[in-house]
Amino acid sequence: ETGVTQTPRHLVMGMTNKKSLKCEQHLGHNAMYWYKQSAKKPLELMFVYSLEERVENNSVPSRFSPECPNSSHLFLHLHTLQPEDSALYLCASSDLFGNGYTFGSGTRLTVV
Amino acid sequence: GENVEQHPSTLSVQEGDSAVIKCTYSDSASNYFPWYKQELGKRPQLIIDIRSNVGEKKDQRIAVTLNKTAKHFSLHITETQPEDSAVYFCAASWNYGGSQGNLIFGKGTKLSVKP
Repeated sequence: ETGVTQTPRHLVMGMTNKKSLKCEQHLGHNAMYWYKQSAKKPLELMFVYSLEERVENNSVPSRFSPECPNSSHLFLHLHTLQPEDSALYLCASSDLFGNGYTFGSGTRLTVV
Repeated sequence: GENVEQHPSTLSVQEGDSAVIKCTYSDSASNYFPWYKQELGKRPQLIIDIRSNVGEKKDQRIAVTLNKTAKHFSLHITETQPEDSAVYFCAASWNYGGSQGNLIFGKGTKLSVKP
């Protein structure tokens, strides 16, 4: 493991379900990120947290709701998703200057 | 905001040949340029990076060059091997003092090395 752990690795959910993705980093970083990776947009930045405060939200639909309770944990809460939301969701972390940028292994999400 | 263009989208080379992937960026304030390798089914991993105070950096078979004036940077892989087959992403960001911009990625290059 690289120090950034994501769970679950795979998730299949119906459009009416509510689920959460979890990311945990053990690198002492203070910035965490959510990316969506799909065939159309290989690495699309969704959310940025710095010192547990959301600093960027790249026009992401409200059916995706991030949460950063502390500098080591990041969640992505999912509800009423659409099939086009099926993708690999990658978490990453870095220090406040963008150094040591490290990705987790991702959660492969399938919406049925 | 920053925009990163990456070419080519796919690249096929014979084992032993060299491979070159090129990226351009739009924000002249960008000063940090990493390259990531993503093997099939795995996470992107940093393979080399360069900062704007240098023009070239090498690490064994991998090198990165930066042309600040033209705002482009390139990844060079020499003596390619089948295990180099992967998707490669370039990225750009800036950090000065206590502030940083977000890492903006190119769309990736799928490199295939044929034995």
